Amino acid sequence: GDSVTQTEGLVTLTEGLPVMLNCTYQTIYSNPFLFWYVHYLNESPRLLLKSSTDNKRTEHQGFHATLHKSSSSFHLQKSSAQLSDSALYYCALSGTLAQGLTFGLGTRVSVFP
Amino acid sequence: AQTIHQWPVAEIKAVGSPLSLGCTIKGKSSPNLYWYWQATGGTLQQLFYSITVGQVESVVQLNLSASRPKDDQFILSTEKLLLSHSGFYLCAWSLWGTEVFFGKGTRLTVV
Repeated sequence: GDSVTQTEGLVTLTEGLPVMLNCTYQTIYSNPFLFWYVHYLNESPRLLLKSSTDNKRTEHQGFHATLHKSSSSFHLQKSSAQLSDSALYYCALSGTLAQGLTFGLGTRVSVFP
Repeated sequence: AQTIHQWPVAEIKAVGSPLSLGCTIKGKSSPNLYWYWQATGGTLQQLFYSITVGQVESVVQLNLSASRPKDDQFILSTEKLLLSHSGFYLCAWSLWGTEVFFGKGTRLTVV
Protein backbone atom coordinates (compact mmCIF):
# COMPACT_ATOMS: atom_id res chain seq x y z
CA GLY A 1 0.00 0.00 0.00
CA ASP A 2 0.87 3.67 0.05
CA SER A 3 3.34 4.98 2.60
CA VAL A 4 4.88 8.31 3.56
CA THR A 5 8.17 8.73 5.40
CA GLN A 6 9.12 11.79 7.38
CA THR A 7 12.59 11.30 8.79
CA GLU A 8 12.57 14.03 11.43
CA GLY A 9 10.36 13.65 14.45
CA LEU A 10 11.41 16.93 16.00
CA VAL A 11 13.11 19.96 14.54
CA THR A 12 14.22 22.79 16.80
CA LEU A 13 15.69 25.96 15.44
CA THR A 14 16.22 29.62 16.08
CA GLU A 15 13.96 32.21 14.55
CA GLY A 16 15.25 33.50 11.24
CA LEU A 17 17.06 30.33 10.25
CA PRO A 18 15.99 28.18 7.30
CA VAL A 19 14.03 25.00 7.86
CA MET A 20 13.61 21.91 5.72
CA LEU A 21 11.36 18.98 6.47
CA ASN A 22 11.90 15.79 4.52
CA CYS A 23 9.15 13.76 2.93
CA THR A 24 9.44 10.72 0.70
CA TYR A 25 6.68 8.42 -0.40
CA GLN A 26 5.82 5.12 -1.99
CA THR A 27 2.71 4.57 -4.07
CA ILE A 28 1.38 2.47 -6.90
CA TYR A 29 -0.25 5.51 -8.47
CA SER A 30 1.66 7.23 -11.26
CA ASN A 31 0.03 10.63 -10.59
CA PRO A 32 -0.34 10.98 -6.83
CA PHE A 33 -1.34 14.13 -4.97
CA LEU A 34 1.15 15.21 -2.30
CA PHE A 35 0.22 17.50 0.58
CA TRP A 36 1.71 19.27 3.54
CA TYR A 37 -0.67 19.85 6.44
CA VAL A 38 0.09 21.96 9.49
CA HIS A 39 -1.49 21.16 12.83
CA TYR A 40 -1.47 23.80 15.54
CA LEU A 41 -2.40 22.85 19.07
CA ASN A 42 -6.16 22.86 19.66
CA GLU A 43 -6.93 23.49 16.01
CA SER A 44 -7.81 21.32 13.03
CA PRO A 45 -5.01 20.23 10.70
CA ARG A 46 -5.08 22.53 7.70
CA LEU A 47 -3.59 22.41 4.26
CA LEU A 48 -0.34 24.26 3.74
CA LEU A 49 0.71 23.09 0.27
CA LYS A 50 -0.34 20.58 -2.34
CA SER A 51 0.95 19.38 -5.67
CA SER A 52 0.49 16.73 -8.29
CA THR A 53 2.74 18.30 -10.92
CA ASP A 54 6.24 16.93 -11.32
CA ASN A 55 9.12 19.38 -10.84
CA LYS A 56 6.89 22.38 -10.23
CA ARG A 57 7.51 24.52 -7.15
CA THR A 58 4.44 25.36 -5.10
CA GLU A 59 4.45 28.12 -2.48
CA HIS A 60 2.23 29.37 0.31
CA GLN A 61 2.80 31.55 3.36
CA GLY A 62 6.55 31.56 2.84
CA PHE A 63 6.78 27.78 2.59
CA HIS A 64 7.60 25.98 -0.63
CA ALA A 65 7.89 22.44 -1.89
CA THR A 66 8.57 20.73 -5.19
CA LEU A 67 7.26 17.32 -6.11
CA HIS A 68 10.02 15.19 -7.61
CA LYS A 69 8.61 11.95 -8.92
CA SER A 70 12.07 10.69 -9.87
CA SER A 71 13.05 10.61 -6.20
CA SER A 72 9.51 10.27 -4.77
CA SER A 73 10.06 13.33 -2.63
CA PHE A 74 8.12 16.41 -1.56
CA HIS A 75 10.34 18.24 0.93
CA LEU A 76 9.03 21.35 2.68
CA GLN A 77 11.24 24.41 3.01
CA LYS A 78 11.17 27.92 4.38
CA SER A 79 14.02 30.36 4.14
CA SER A 80 13.41 32.09 7.46
CA ALA A 81 11.47 30.41 10.28
CA GLN A 82 9.16 32.44 12.50
CA LEU A 83 7.99 31.78 16.03
CA SER A 84 4.48 31.25 14.68
CA ASP A 85 5.72 28.34 12.56
CA SER A 86 5.96 26.17 15.66
CA ALA A 87 3.52 23.33 14.98
CA LEU A 88 3.20 19.74 13.84
CA TYR A 89 3.71 19.23 10.11
CA TYR A 90 2.38 16.25 8.23
CA CYS A 91 3.27 15.12 4.75
CA ALA A 92 0.43 13.22 3.10
CA LEU A 93 -0.22 11.31 -0.07
CA SER A 94 -3.31 10.44 -2.04
CA GLY A 95 -3.64 8.28 -5.08
CA THR A 96 -7.28 9.17 -5.46
CA LEU A 97 -8.80 11.77 -3.16
CA ALA A 98 -11.95 9.69 -2.88
CA GLN A 99 -10.05 7.24 -0.70
CA GLY A 100 -8.48 9.88 1.53
CA LEU A 101 -4.94 10.57 2.61
CA THR A 102 -2.02 8.52 3.87
CA PHE A 103 -0.02 10.51 6.41
CA GLY A 104 3.56 10.40 7.54
CA LEU A 105 4.40 10.32 11.23
CA GLY A 106 4.67 14.08 11.36
CA THR A 107 7.47 16.45 12.27
CA ARG A 108 7.16 18.74 15.23
CA VAL A 109 8.81 22.09 14.61
CA SER A 110 9.78 24.28 17.53
CA VAL A 111 11.10 27.75 16.74
CA PHE A 112 12.85 29.67 19.50
CA PRO A 113 13.72 33.37 19.73
CA ALA B 1 -20.09 29.49 9.53
CA GLN B 2 -18.41 26.24 10.43
CA THR B 3 -18.63 23.67 7.66
CA ILE B 4 -17.71 20.62 9.71
CA HIS B 5 -18.89 19.96 13.23
CA GLN B 6 -17.72 17.07 15.37
CA TRP B 7 -19.18 15.90 18.63
CA PRO B 8 -18.39 15.42 21.43
CA VAL B 9 -15.24 17.45 21.91
CA ALA B 10 -13.95 14.96 24.46
CA GLU B 11 -15.06 11.75 26.11
CA ILE B 12 -13.90 9.61 29.00
CA LYS B 13 -15.35 6.13 28.74
CA ALA B 14 -14.94 2.80 30.50
CA VAL B 15 -13.51 -0.28 28.84
CA GLY B 16 -16.35 -2.36 27.46
CA SER B 17 -18.76 0.53 27.13
CA PRO B 18 -20.27 1.63 23.80
CA LEU B 19 -19.15 4.68 21.85
CA SER B 20 -20.68 6.93 19.25
CA LEU B 21 -18.86 9.87 17.68
CA GLY B 22 -20.53 12.11 15.16
CA CYS B 23 -19.68 14.49 12.40
CA THR B 24 -21.89 16.80 10.35
CA ILE B 25 -20.95 18.64 7.17
CA LYS B 26 -22.96 21.71 6.23
CA GLY B 27 -23.27 23.43 2.89
CA LYS B 28 -21.55 20.79 0.77
CA SER B 29 -23.38 18.43 -1.53
CA SER B 30 -22.27 14.80 -1.56
CA PRO B 31 -18.84 15.24 -0.03
CA ASN B 32 -16.38 12.41 0.46
CA LEU B 33 -16.17 11.75 4.18
CA TYR B 34 -13.37 10.27 6.28
CA TRP B 35 -12.56 9.19 9.81
CA TYR B 36 -8.98 9.44 11.04
CA TRP B 37 -7.48 8.35 14.33
CA GLN B 38 -4.33 9.40 16.09
CA ALA B 39 -2.97 7.40 19.01
CA THR B 40 -0.88 9.33 21.48
CA GLY B 41 2.47 9.95 19.81
CA GLY B 42 1.29 8.34 16.59
CA THR B 43 0.42 9.49 13.12
CA LEU B 44 -2.98 10.21 11.64
CA GLN B 45 -4.34 6.87 10.50
CA GLN B 46 -7.32 6.65 8.19
CA LEU B 47 -10.07 4.39 9.50
CA PHE B 48 -12.97 4.73 7.05
CA TYR B 49 -14.07 6.64 4.00
CA SER B 50 -17.41 7.15 2.35
CA ILE B 51 -18.18 8.42 -1.13
CA THR B 52 -21.96 8.26 -0.89
CA VAL B 53 -24.81 7.81 1.56
CA GLY B 54 -25.09 4.31 2.94
CA GLN B 55 -21.68 3.20 1.68
CA VAL B 56 -18.64 3.05 3.93
CA GLU B 57 -15.28 1.46 3.21
CA SER B 58 -13.01 0.27 5.99
CA VAL B 59 -9.30 1.03 5.73
CA VAL B 60 -8.04 -0.28 9.07
CA GLN B 61 -9.64 -2.83 11.34
CA LEU B 62 -9.78 -1.53 14.89
CA ASN B 63 -13.02 -3.10 16.12
CA LEU B 64 -14.82 0.08 15.11
CA SER B 65 -17.61 0.65 12.64
CA ALA B 66 -18.81 3.65 10.69
CA SER B 67 -22.04 4.60 9.03
CA ARG B 68 -23.30 7.38 6.80
CA PRO B 69 -27.04 7.61 7.43
CA LYS B 70 -27.40 10.96 5.66
CA ASP B 71 -25.42 12.77 3.00
CA ASP B 72 -24.05 15.21 5.57
CA GLN B 73 -23.53 12.87 8.54
CA PHE B 74 -20.81 10.38 9.42
CA ILE B 75 -20.92 8.27 12.58
CA LEU B 76 -18.13 6.27 14.20
CA SER B 77 -19.12 3.68 16.78
CA THR B 78 -18.37 0.52 18.66
CA GLU B 79 -20.32 -1.61 21.11
CA LYS B 80 -17.31 -2.39 23.31
CA LEU B 81 -14.43 -0.01 23.82
CA LEU B 82 -10.89 -1.24 24.32
CA LEU B 83 -8.07 0.62 26.04
CA SER B 84 -6.35 0.79 22.64
CA HIS B 85 -9.17 2.93 21.28
CA SER B 86 -7.92 5.92 23.22
CA GLY B 87 -6.70 8.76 21.07
CA PHE B 88 -7.77 11.63 18.91
CA TYR B 89 -10.47 11.11 16.28
CA LEU B 90 -10.81 13.43 13.34
CA CYS B 91 -13.61 13.62 10.83
CA ALA B 92 -12.80 15.12 7.45
CA TRP B 93 -14.39 15.88 4.10
CA SER B 94 -13.39 16.64 0.54
CA LEU B 95 -14.92 17.29 -2.83
CA TRP B 96 -13.53 15.67 -5.95
CA GLY B 97 -10.04 16.86 -6.80
CA THR B 98 -9.65 19.24 -3.86
CA GLU B 99 -8.03 19.20 -0.48
CA VAL B 100 -9.25 17.37 2.60
CA PHE B 101 -10.72 19.53 5.35
CA PHE B 102 -10.65 18.42 8.96
CA GLY B 103 -12.91 18.94 11.92
CA LYS B 104 -11.60 19.92 15.34
CA GLY B 105 -11.57 16.36 16.58
CA THR B 106 -12.72 14.34 19.56
CA ARG B 107 -10.30 13.31 22.26
CA LEU B 108 -11.26 9.90 23.63
CA THR B 109 -9.84 8.46 26.83
CA VAL B 110 -10.71 4.88 27.65
CA VAL B 111 -10.17 3.93 31.28
